[in-house]
Amino acid sequence: RKEVEQDPGPFNVPEGATVAFNCTYSNSASQSFFWYRQDCRKEPKLLMSVYSSGNEDGRFTAQLNRASQYISLLIRDSKLSDSATYLCVAPRAGNMLTFGGGTRLMVKP
Amino acid sequence: EPEVTQTPSHQVTQMGQEVILRCVPISNHLYFYWYRQILGQKVEFLVSFYNNEISEKSEIFDDQFSVERPDGSNFTLKIRSTKLEDSAMYFCASSALGQGVAGELFFGEGSRLTVL
Repeated sequence: RKEVEQDPGPFNVPEGATVAFNCTYSNSASQSFFWYRQDCRKEPKLLMSVYSSGNEDGRFTAQLNRASQYISLLIRDSKLSDSATYLCVAPRAGNMLTFGGGTRLMVKP
Repeated sequence: EPEVTQTPSHQVTQMGQEVILRCVPISNHLYFYWYRQILGQKVEFLVSFYNNEISEKSEIFDDQFSVERPDGSNFTLKIRSTKLEDSAMYFCASSALGQGVAGELFFGEGSRLTVL
């Protein structure tokens, strides 16, 4: 299994839809996980951290399933501005972070 | 809002030339990093720097690469003899806490390196 694996998409959804992405990770010792957002040709920006069972911030909910070693990101009421690539990030041994390849979301009017 | 700044935004160089990419991390941050992203691929960790020394590096960060914090504000990445496969976007990042602990990395806008 790859260290961090994501479906590359793209996920094409209409405005207002709910969309969910999953990400699997291989290091069962990892304690904290992160979702970053990356717009085309821009730098990644932290969207959410996931430390235990989950985290919610407005329209965004991140959940962690340790038994199955995956984290998910749910976006409710999608906006056009949510169109971006969503990067799943998990720690490796030590202090290194491993980025997944990203899931591309396109929200259409 | 404090930000990480990087220069140059784009550099074109010939294979075999030395390149220095510069970064000014957020002023009260203690941890500094370089990542790279080859076009269409994932973001890859290169090196982390804390307390004036390298704390971790990946297998990508070989002898051709070096980092330096020459003064209290700048953080540089040097590639000694560039190869075609070094063409990528290089992101500098900084954080207040170690990345494995808190995870919020603040990235600069990146320096695009093109090796011909």
